[in-house]
Amino acid sequence: AQSVTQLDSQVPVFEEAPVELRCNYSSSVSVYLFWYVQYPNQGLQLLLKYLSGSTLVKGINGFEAEFNKSQTSFHLRKPSVHISDTAEYFCAVSDMVAGTASKLTFGTGTRLQVTL
Amino acid sequence: SAVISQKPSRDICQRGTSLTIQCQVDSQVTMMFWYRQQPGQSLTLIATANQGSEATYESGFVIDKFPISRPNLTFSTLTVSNMSPEDSSIYLCSVTGRGNTGELFFGEGSRLTVL
Repeated sequence: AQSVTQLDSQVPVFEEAPVELRCNYSSSVSVYLFWYVQYPNQGLQLLLKYLSGSTLVKGINGFEAEFNKSQTSFHLRKPSVHISDTAEYFCAVSDMVAGTASKLTFGTGTRLQVTL
Repeated sequence: SAVISQKPSRDICQRGTSLTIQCQVDSQVTMMFWYRQQPGQSLTLIATANQGSEATYESGFVIDKFPISRPNLTFSTLTVSNMSPEDSSIYLCSVTGRGNTGELFFGEGSRLTVL
């Protein structure tokens, strides 16, 4: 079974600064990886996903993430954050067993707090 | 991507009562999922609802507490029964995206406070 670890529960950052939100996963088989964002009082929205191919994936709102198989990581980055990026960010993984993707397993979330 | 509508968006309930949450999808989907997000926590899968069959519950969740209906391919309900303050959570409905990747699309959630 897969698992996801988000190493930072909270990340404070100043506006226009770069940010990296860390995510590590554990799985013995091929995986699909996702980042979701949850703005205050809203549901979850897909930011980006890694399915196959290029290890650098770009998502909405200027975010990108890099899949590193050797380090079993899928860290989320943005070169310059905005106040509106303040939200909860969840990393999630599903793995492939017998050609079928498993249910998503979510990390515990990272609270990104952007201030002026 | 699917458009998912949930009702109610929020509610305040009394201990011992029950509340039914509705989830409507704008397209036909095979599987629908119900998640719980307790305050400050991540998402926990409650159950998977397939049309025409009994819902499949995850460990720690039982049908008597969280009965689910799935009358057709675009609609599902989750009932939180005999509520206690510990049931105060966001309840989220979700459906899978196209392709066999595990990707999920979520509704806005139903924020439930039990007094």
